[in-house]
Amino acid sequence: EVQLLESGGGLVQPGGSLRLSCIASGFTFNSFAMSWVRQAPGKGLEWVTSITYNGGDTWHADSVKGRFTTSRDNSKKTLYVQMNSLSAEDTAVYYCVKGSSVSRPYYFDHWGQGTLVTVST
Amino acid sequence: EVVLTQSPGTLSLSPGKRATLSCRASQSVSSRYLAWYQQKPGQAPRLLIYGTSNRATGIPDRFSGSGSGTDFTLTISRLEPEDFAVYYCQHYDDSRTFGQGTKVEIE
Repeated sequence: EVQLLESGGGLVQPGGSLRLSCIASGFTFNSFAMSWVRQAPGKGLEWVTSITYNGGDTWHADSVKGRFTTSRDNSKKTLYVQMNSLSAEDTAVYYCVKGSSVSRPYYFDHWGQGTLVTVST
Repeated sequence: EVVLTQSPGTLSLSPGKRATLSCRASQSVSSRYLAWYQQKPGQAPRLLIYGTSNRATGIPDRFSGSGSGTDFTLTISRLEPEDFAVYYCQHYDDSRTFGQGTKVEIE
């Protein structure tokens, strides 16, 4: 059974930083692209970032480009996103998502339960 | 960038009725890269349909997808109580854009 367990969310002040982690199990982690998708309170889904199976390429939404950095450690079966210069607009539940293949295009076939990031004073 | 517009925003129906959800793209997209997701309150989204019409593993056959070009449809043939949720379409080619969602609520 595919499982994706996010951690690292919490309350952070505007301008601060946070690193989210996602530990994967139940599939061959190094054979699939991975992504983060977020959902602001009461809002819809927003794709944030994706990374290829080997970490060789990453893509980021314009809203986070230059502030978020995505990486993975295949030996630890873990996906990361380093989030810097956070603002209130980044407040959301962040979902770790498994892609359906090694690289684009892929749909999101499994989702974690999400971790809440709140940016506030 | 492709923009996906879902309609209606809210669909109020009774259990047992047929639900038809629309997803319109701002430009023609490949039907190979259109997906639908279901999200229940307090839960993560779940993949329902990929490639416009392919049901994901474990998805009952009352869910079906169709469409091409700019117009795509998710149909729930007979609504079960567990089907009342929010549904999102997504174009998963370059932009990975999501629609804004359609809420299916009990009438």
